[in-house]
Amino acid sequence: QVQLVQSGAEVKKPGASVKVSCKASGYTFSSYSIAWVRQAPGQGLEWMGWIIPFNTNTYYARKLQGRVTMTTDTSTSTAYMELRSLRSDDTAVYYCARVGLGDSSAAFDIWGQGTMVTVSS
Amino acid sequence: DIQMTQSPSAMSASVGDRVTITCRASQDISDYLAWFQQKPGKVPKRLIYAASSLQSGVPSRFSGSGSGTEFTLTISSLQPEDFATYYCLHHNSYPWTFGQGTKVEIK
Repeated sequence: QVQLVQSGAEVKKPGASVKVSCKASGYTFSSYSIAWVRQAPGQGLEWMGWIIPFNTNTYYARKLQGRVTMTTDTSTSTAYMELRSLRSDDTAVYYCARVGLGDSSAAFDIWGQGTMVTVSS
Repeated sequence: DIQMTQSPSAMSASVGDRVTITCRASQDISDYLAWFQQKPGKVPKRLIYAASSLQSGVPSRFSGSGSGTEFTLTISSLQPEDFATYYCLHHNSYPWTFGQGTKVEIK
């Protein structure tokens, strides 16, 4: 079945980096983009950006530009999100989600299970 | 940037009630709008895409309407399993943004 499986929980110190993976299966990875969304404890959903696997075009939320990098490995159908210079307010659950390319029917239809990233000294 | 204003932020309702949640966009987003349901500790679940198309497997008591700048999610008869937080999301132009969320609680 179509699914996205994310890497496990992480605990990082302030100033460190974290890299979360999102492995796709059950569909043609390069035919869809991958968006990343995060949710701080008790807060709402925040769109972080997205990447198009077949051409690696990216778009990042302005507040994260310079600290976030999204990449893909089409050979393993895996997307990655790296966040650097971590701060306590980066503590959140990070989700990946599938997004269609010019096709609203696939916009955020499939989500990963989420990865908890805790930033604490 | 396009802002999404979702209302109400919270509401209390009873089983069987008709519930309406609104999202207003600060600019025309056509129908590039989706609605999600999220229960505590769970992954968001898409209910509606393209403003009014029902996600496969989602009960027909959920419906979406609107285009341009005003959008509505309606639950025609609230069921016990519908108590959750609901979010809208626009994906018309960058940056995409979620509404602030509407928590639907039991009255």
